[in-house]
Amino acid sequence: QITLKESGPTLVKPTQTLTLTCTLSGFSLRTSGVGVGWIRQPPGKALEWLALISWNDDKRYNPSLNSRLTITKDTSKYQVVLTMTNMDPVDTATYYCAHLIAAPYYFDYWGQGTLVTVSS
Amino acid sequence: QSALTQPASVSGSPGQSITISCTGTSSDVGSYNLVSWYQQHPGKAPKLMIYEGSKRPSGLSNRFSGSKSGNTASLTISGLQAEDEADYYCCSYAGSSTLVFGGGTKLTVL
Repeated sequence: QITLKESGPTLVKPTQTLTLTCTLSGFSLRTSGVGVGWIRQPPGKALEWLALISWNDDKRYNPSLNSRLTITKDTSKYQVVLTMTNMDPVDTATYYCAHLIAAPYYFDYWGQGTLVTVSS
Repeated sequence: QSALTQPASVSGSPGQSITISCTGTSSDVGSYNLVSWYQQHPGKAPKLMIYEGSKRPSGLSNRFSGSKSGNTASLTISGLQAEDEADYYCCSYAGSSTLVFGGGTKLTVL
């Protein structure tokens, strides 16, 4: 079955770069029509879409965060990596990765999420 | 790209029906029938409930249904049950392979 698991630091300092890894199981990013997205949720607040990468290496970013985000995939390692530069305390959130059905664009499987705290 | 607008909270009694609205613009909800809905219980990851506006994932109760009119999508839950109490989020395709979520709605089952 399809599973995803996020990993990365639980604490980062302001101005540092965050690197999160999503490890995939049960599917491949070589499969046409699929992708992986990253979504975050500050404590007590709403979900926010961050980025997605598709099987054909098409990459898309939330316009409000575009300059800070980079998403890449390593198909052979079954991993998707998200980097976010210049971290700020307002970026404290649970970060989720999710399996995307590209066009029509919905997330049908989600990881458990990883809480990242930004504090000096 | 602004967040879609959802009511902060809705409530209903067991057995009743409720509807959660999700209002966007002609650039997202209004232009595409690509709205998805997610249920999130406290401390848990979101769960897909509706995709492509009105389609249910395999195995999901038919008490959950989705629709759209103009720039507003809606999620209706009929025959409310205690386990339906959760936060609900809509998400719409917004063109150029980008997505936008709503602000979320807390459903309380009285």
